This record gives sequence, C-alpha cells and structure tokens, in this order.
Amino acid sequence: DQQVKQNSPSLSVQEGRISILNCDYTNSMFDYFLWYKKYPAEGPTFLISISSIKDKNEDGRFTVFLNKSAKHLSLHIVPSQPGDSAVYFCAASLSGAGSYQLTFGKGTKLSVIP
Amino acid sequence: SQTIHQWPATLVQPVGSPLSLECTVEGTSNPNLYWYRQAAGRGLQLLFYSVGIGQISSEVPQNLSASRPQDRQFILSSKKLLLSDSGFYLCAWSVVDRDYNEQFFGPGTRLTVL
Repeated sequence: DQQVKQNSPSLSVQEGRISILNCDYTNSMFDYFLWYKKYPAEGPTFLISISSIKDKNEDGRFTVFLNKSAKHLSLHIVPSQPGDSAVYFCAASLSGAGSYQLTFGKGTKLSVIP
Repeated sequence: SQTIHQWPATLVQPVGSPLSLECTVEGTSNPNLYWYRQAAGRGLQLLFYSVGIGQISSEVPQNLSASRPQDRQFILSSKKLLLSDSGFYLCAWSVVDRDYNEQFFGPGTRLTVL
C-alpha cells in the first residue's frame, strides 16, 4: 500500500514557464512534508518542506502548497530553468521527536526544455 | 558545516559474495543515521535507522544488516548477496530530537550484483 503517491512519472516544461509537481498521500496522520531533488547517480538534495499548520511555504523560486482536506501537496517552480531538470521526490512524515521514517513517493522526472 | 561520505561510489559483486558499504558523517554529533535503497523505477525504501551507537532498527526483513560501531559511522553489510540486492544505496542523517525530520543524504553507492 503506497502511502505517498506521485502519479506523474515525468513532466516536460519549457524554460521560463511554471513547473507543477503533484503528490498525494493517504495517511491522515502525516503532518510534515518534504520535497527532494535528485540528479542521476547522486543522493537526493533537500529542497523545501511544509508542516500541516501551514498551507504554503515559499523559498525563492520554489513554493510548496498543502491541501490537507484533499491530502494533496504540490511543488511549484517559477521560472523553470534547465538546471531544474532532475527527479523530484515527495516525502511525508510524522512530526515530533522520535519520528524517524520518511515515506517517499516514486518520484517525478522533470525535464526543462531550453 | 555537515558533510556525509559514502564509499565506494560503485561496486560490482557476484551473487553469494559479501558486502560492506560505509557511511560517515562530519560536522555533527550523535546524528540519527539511515540506510535507504532505491531500486530501478522505484522510490526510496528505508532499510535501517540508528539513533545511537549499537542501536539499529530494521524496517525491511532481508539478508542485509547494519551496524553503527562509532557515533558518526554507519555500515551496511551482507554475508551473501542476492541478485535482488542490486540498487542504489543511500545513507542519510538527521538531527536528533528535532520536531521535524529533515534528512540529508550522501552521494550514494551503485551496487550491481551479477
């Protein structure tokens, strides 16, 4: 049973446009969400996170939106750049000391076309 | 600043041979440590985590084991590799006793079992 789902395995976007990556989760206990970016043959890099007490968190070109009622979050990248081409993983966890597990989606491969 | 090292970067091993992958973290004390595996076309699967020296929790039953002989050293081992052990192995760390579990990943080891 996949608790975190990224239903789009790939996405192509023109340089300068907005990239929107989506993620759905089924476990209503999750209250902290993260996005990671991964280049081939490298480890994932932490991008941005959001706790369930917020519905939006912004960091430069990256914004994460959380819709708790729909159990859905999205990552917006504006404007998209060729260097953003990578696999993006959504992850969810429980907050609080003693919570160790991140549950990851399968990832979405973003290609930004120059 | 904190850095995390993994070696080797790539490894090709025959079926039935032993395995030892090493991970070390610099610039932090008493981190939580994690081993993940990314199999082809799949997300990140948590294999083991450790909250202290000698303390190992297993998330997935298999022929792999983990050990933490020192505070900032985490080792993944196997006595006899299977073909299904092929994948990309990632070590990660996080700060202990923090409400939000942001994990930071190493560069990974590509293991091919033939």
